[in-house]
Amino acid sequence: GAGVSQSPSNKVTEKGKDVELRCDPISGHTALYWYRQSLGQGLEFLIYFQGNSAPDKSGLPSDRFSAERTGGSVSTLTIQRTQQEDSAVYLCASGPSWADNEQFFGPGTRLTVL
Amino acid sequence: AQKITQTQPGMFVQEKEAVTLDCTYDTSDPSYGLFWYKQPSSGEMIFLIYQGSYDQQNATEGRYSLNFQKARKSANLVISASQLGDSAMYFCAMRASSNTGKLIFGQGTTLQVKP
Repeated sequence: GAGVSQSPSNKVTEKGKDVELRCDPISGHTALYWYRQSLGQGLEFLIYFQGNSAPDKSGLPSDRFSAERTGGSVSTLTIQRTQQEDSAVYLCASGPSWADNEQFFGPGTRLTVL
Repeated sequence: AQKITQTQPGMFVQEKEAVTLDCTYDTSDPSYGLFWYKQPSSGEMIFLIYQGSYDQQNATEGRYSLNFQKARKSANLVISASQLGDSAMYFCAMRASSNTGKLIFGQGTTLQVKP
């Protein structure tokens, strides 16, 4: 596809379970970002990848959150032992480089923790 | 600290009129970028317009223009000839860091266009 894709689109889980969220960036984009949007709020930065490395993880809210990127392409955000406050829409964005004048966003994954 | 402020939680505009959405920012970096995104009820984030801190002219993209006042640290979005499809949440964002490109977002403004 031409755009950023994310899966699943919706995820409902029970408190304490682990979840994995996937992001497929636009082909050739080296910069990849994860953001979180809580209900009615702005977007909160989580982590930035340049290629397979993550030079900026400053937005990860706790050590329950981790992310990896393989092959300079697909990225997975993992949340361990989910809590109700983790409920949010998780958005992935990619760009040709960090300095690009545009970040292209995916449709997001809506996570609900019961 | 770097910050984006959008002071208008909600705005109304009559169809075919122009509307200005306010955005102020705070940063000590001499080089930065300012973005506006549109988020319809479907949830997708749609890029609208970009302004670099060193750009001499205000950015324009079709019906969207960015009123950049560097001294006042404001980057207001102007939508001309509003359409019903412009009803959405609008976010102002700043590229905060010179080496990661991460965006800091404001809280957003909900725009409703009246027929």
